[in-house]
Amino acid sequence: EIVLTQSPGTLSLSPGERATLSCRASQSVSSNYLAWYQQKPGQAPRLLIYGASSRATGIPDRFSGSGSGTDFALTITRLEPEDFAVYYCQQYGSSPLTFGGGTKVEIK
Amino acid sequence: QVQLVQSGAEVKKPGASVKVSCKAYGYTFTGYYIHWVRQAPGQGLEWMGWITPNSGATNYAQKFQDRVTMTRDTSVSTAYLELSSLRSDDTALYYCARGYRSSAFQLWGQGTLVTVSS
Repeated sequence: EIVLTQSPGTLSLSPGERATLSCRASQSVSSNYLAWYQQKPGQAPRLLIYGASSRATGIPDRFSGSGSGTDFALTITRLEPEDFAVYYCQQYGSSPLTFGGGTKVEIK
Repeated sequence: QVQLVQSGAEVKKPGASVKVSCKAYGYTFTGYYIHWVRQAPGQGLEWMGWITPNSGATNYAQKFQDRVTMTRDTSVSTAYLELSSLRSDDTALYYCARGYRSSAFQLWGQGTLVTVSS
């Protein structure tokens, strides 16, 4: 099973700042099948990024994904008020599919 | 409208079973896999397995292998998750999500809260 470790656990930033979230895998993610999700309280997760760097439909271009192998990152270039949420990475290249523990982006 | 609509909240006693449904609207039900993901209160996401509605084939996470059953009824475009021998730590929001065998999940249900309490 691939274990995904997200860091930091919490990121305290102000609107307009840049956020960089990390996701490290315990072994290489097959075909860079790595996704990022945003989740707000009381809502289902929302797909942001798939294939490590492809934006999902309707996702603003301030969200970008990068990385390969075992090290991946999600960058939000300029935080908008609606971006404060919890973010999860997920690998879907091998079974069982696994999720990271999440990074909470909170308002400083 | 393309969506997944899940059944309502359940309260069960320890040792009981629960069956959650996930009805697909607006797309060809047999064209995609249905995955199940759960989230305990205040915790992260945990993948439970998938079913392919076309054939009914399943793949379960080893953790749930002996307690979970995923089925589908193509006549009503609905997938089901049944979890048996419930324990208090099964209390969670259970989500269905649409995808493929190996894919990210673009479409999610609204979640079904299952509470296990004596």
